[in-house]
Amino acid sequence: NAGVMQNPRHLVRRRGQEARLRCSPMKGHSHVYWYRQLPEEGLKFMVYLQKENIIDESGMPKERFSAEFPKEGPSILRIQQVVRGDSAAYFCASSRQGAGTEAFFGQGTRLTVV
Amino acid sequence: AQSVTQPDIHITVSEGASLELRCNYSYGATPYLFWYVQSPGQGLQLLLKYFSGDTLVQGIKGFEAEFKRSQSSFNLRKPSVHWSDAAEYFCAVGGRGGATNKLIFGTGTLLAVQP
Repeated sequence: NAGVMQNPRHLVRRRGQEARLRCSPMKGHSHVYWYRQLPEEGLKFMVYLQKENIIDESGMPKERFSAEFPKEGPSILRIQQVVRGDSAAYFCASSRQGAGTEAFFGQGTRLTVV
Repeated sequence: AQSVTQPDIHITVSEGASLELRCNYSYGATPYLFWYVQSPGQGLQLLLKYFSGDTLVQGIKGFEAEFKRSQSSFNLRKPSVHWSDAAEYFCAVGGRGGATNKLIFGTGTLLAVQP
C-alpha cells in the first residue's frame, strides 16, 4: 500500500510563473490536508479538502493560492504568480476520516522561486 | 489563541543518554496530541499520539510521551538515544471536533546525537 505521494519533489519557478503541486492520498483516504513549512519554522495548516469539497481553507493566503481535490485524480495546490516568499516546503497529508484518525504525510514538495 | 510551544530549539545529547523534549500547548479543551519526527529532506513520521485513556503513551522507536493536563504538557522521552534518532521533532495538537488533522505544530526541536 503506497503512502502519500507528492510530486514533484523539487520545483523551481521564476517569479510570476505558476506552480502546481500534486498529492495522491493513500488508498482509501478521502481527506487531504496541505501544510506549508517555511525555513526554521514548523508546519502551518493551509487547507483541508474532501473529495470535490473544500472543508476549511482558513490557512490559505487570500490571493494567488487555490486548492482542489477532484473526484478523480490527485489533489492540486496551485500558486499563481509566485513570489520569492512562496519558497517553502509544501506537505500533503491524508486520512481515512476527518476526526479521530491518523494522518499520513507525504515527503513534500520543495518550491524554490528564483 | 491555540498554540504549541517547544521551548528548546536545539538539543545535543550523547548516544546512550536519556532524552526529554518539552512541549506545552494552549487550547480551549483537551486536544488530540501528537509527536512527529522529520529527517532532513523528508516528510513527517508519526511517533505517537494521545487521544484518550492512559496518559502515558508508547510510540515507535522506543519513544514515549506523557500527557499532563494540569501542566498542559506532552513531553517526549526516550531512555537511551541512538545516533539514528538525530532529526527534528515536532509536537502538534488537533481538535476533537471536526478535522482532527487540522494540526497546530510547534516550531520543532532539532536533536543532535554525539558519539
